[in-house]
Amino acid sequence: SYVLTQPPSVSVAPGQAARLTCGGNNIGSKNVHWYQQKPGQAPVLVVYDDIDRPSGIPERFSGSNSGNPATLTISRVEAGDEADYYCQVWESTSGHYVFGPGTKVTVL
Amino acid sequence: QVQLVESGGGVVQSGRSLRLSCAASGFTFSNFGMHWVRQAPGKGLEWVAVVYFDGSNKYYTDSVRGRFTISRDNSENRLYLQMDSLRAEDTAVYYCARDRCSRGTCSSEYWGQGTLVTVSS
Repeated sequence: SYVLTQPPSVSVAPGQAARLTCGGNNIGSKNVHWYQQKPGQAPVLVVYDDIDRPSGIPERFSGSNSGNPATLTISRVEAGDEADYYCQVWESTSGHYVFGPGTKVTVL
Repeated sequence: QVQLVESGGGVVQSGRSLRLSCAASGFTFSNFGMHWVRQAPGKGLEWVAVVYFDGSNKYYTDSVRGRFTISRDNSENRLYLQMDSLRAEDTAVYYCARDRCSRGTCSSEYWGQGTLVTVSS
């Protein structure tokens, strides 16, 4: 089955940009979705279909997927962005979600 | 507004059964596929199962296939997960999540708050 890879952790200073990556075989041919999860809370979808944001998600969150890897960029990082971030793709043949292992973002 | 509320979690002995329920409101339940996703303590998200909007198709991750059964009652706006032959490694918070499909792909914009299942040996 399809495997996604993510770095375990990323550290970033407030006001700087954080770039989170999501790798997979020929990932550019898939649509990648990104979730933010804070401790004790359910995941929140922050980017879907590579580049789109659900209503209520700040413009500081942006996605791209022009090849390996796909990326989620958090601009002007704030303390409240500290969380785990998961990428996800959908396997059309089986209806499976595939999640990456997650990246913990630490705001210095 | 969309609401998903899970229930049915608890502590259960290894080998026993448990049924989770997810009550949906704020949308036309019968129009959407529904998923169960779990998260073991301190671990990442793991997709468990999906049932299509009309119940016609059901898929499972390999580790639960044959032990878990996903189902739905569109007249009651409820999603279920029947978990049999539970193992210690099934210990996790279980989330229900609604499909959001477009351009030939799916994600989940709406999630419940989760229900904790603890399997004791």
